[in-house]
Amino acid sequence: SQTIHQWPATLVQPVGSPLSLECTVEGTSNPNLYWYRQAAGRGLQLLFYSVGIGQISSEVPQNLSASRPQDRQFILSSKKLLLSDSGFYLCAWSVLRPEAFFGQGTRLTVV
Amino acid sequence: ELKVEQNPLFLSMQEGKNYTIYCNYSTTSDRLYWYRQDPGKSLESLFVLLSNGAVKQEGRLMASLDTKARLSTLHITAAVHDLSATYFCAVDMASNYQLIWGAGTKLIIKP
Repeated sequence: SQTIHQWPATLVQPVGSPLSLECTVEGTSNPNLYWYRQAAGRGLQLLFYSVGIGQISSEVPQNLSASRPQDRQFILSSKKLLLSDSGFYLCAWSVLRPEAFFGQGTRLTVV
Repeated sequence: ELKVEQNPLFLSMQEGKNYTIYCNYSTTSDRLYWYRQDPGKSLESLFVLLSNGAVKQEGRLMASLDTKARLSTLHITAAVHDLSATYFCAVDMASNYQLIWGAGTKLIIKP
């Protein structure tokens, strides 16, 4: 069966520090991968999606970037965090059609 | 541009009552998904509705899809406290790899 791992679960970072969140999927090949952000009490905002290694589509221009160095690995990064980057970050995967299966999420607080 | 509107956005109800959450979308799609999110947690897939007239039920929740009306409903029967959560609908664009999300309905069920 397929599983998705996302870490860390919580993170407190100072403004201006770098960020790296990692997500890996097991049990499937060539998944579509997604990074979402959810602000407190709000809906989901799609940040990036990837249909293959090295292929990244950005939905919202901002302080973040994404990379897919391996088929089942998706990384969200920032060189310098802003206060507005705080939120709940969710990684998700799908195959064929975009029914998404989510990781457990990373709660990021930028202080 | 595809838009997905959920209503109500917030619902407080008593145990034992019935209620319906509505999800309207603005363009043609034949696939719709319902997710549940518990406070501080990730999203869990509830229902996948794949065609016009599709109806899925699990426990006290029943979801339906009317593609002609561009409407899905999530009906709660005899609500219990454990159903308190935020419910999201998401529509499959079909032409790309993305889901378009509603803003979510926060449901509070009081004992």
